[in-house]
Amino acid sequence: DTGVSQNPRHKITKRGQNVTFRCDPISEHNRLYWYRQTLGQGPEFLTYFQNEAQLEKSRLLSDRFSAERPKGSFSTLEIQRTEQGDSAMYLCASSLMDQPQHFGDGTRLSIL
Amino acid sequence: KQEVTQIPAALSVPEGENLVLNCSFTDSAIYNLQWFRQDPGKGLTSLLLIQSSQREQTSGRLNASLDKSSGRSTLYIAASQPGDSATYLCAVNGNAGKSTFGDGTTLTVKP
Repeated sequence: DTGVSQNPRHKITKRGQNVTFRCDPISEHNRLYWYRQTLGQGPEFLTYFQNEAQLEKSRLLSDRFSAERPKGSFSTLEIQRTEQGDSAMYLCASSLMDQPQHFGDGTRLSIL
Repeated sequence: KQEVTQIPAALSVPEGENLVLNCSFTDSAIYNLQWFRQDPGKGLTSLLLIQSSQREQTSGRLNASLDKSSGRSTLYIAASQPGDSATYLCAVNGNAGKSTFGDGTTLTVKP
């Protein structure tokens, strides 16, 4: 069990650029979640996958955001045309069905 | 829409004290509830998971209780230590997999 891995740890980009984050879950976990967290707040749910199927998306996930989980393994979260308000920590978690979620250390996005 | 509230937002106690953190939620139709710890700049570490059919869970110095009907959970920390200083988050999970988090309680344990 190597834990949930997220890359990069920190991304700095100019407003209007596209960014992509990667999450590698714990290998046997079939569920994968994405959250966004801003300073002083709890994580906000964005979307989750069961295997390769994206089962739910939050209304927070505007059409500039897209997530994929090809082959039910790693996942990517892409943000197009980034805005100042996208600055946050993006957290990924994985779990086995109804078992506890295990979180990665997140990717901190800073928009200049 | 599920809403989760954690009180207090911040707590400072001397080392050795027992303490209780509170979590309340508005929709009692939950699947389970999970308590996490978050250190600054880090991800979340799972502490305890309570299924909706359970009343409490214990792990070492931690005890979490769940009263689904009243929409409340508590996290009890016994004999607090400086290493317990962190933000503690409560997450309420529906059976569709979606988690709703509170904004956390930031705990400082003074030596």
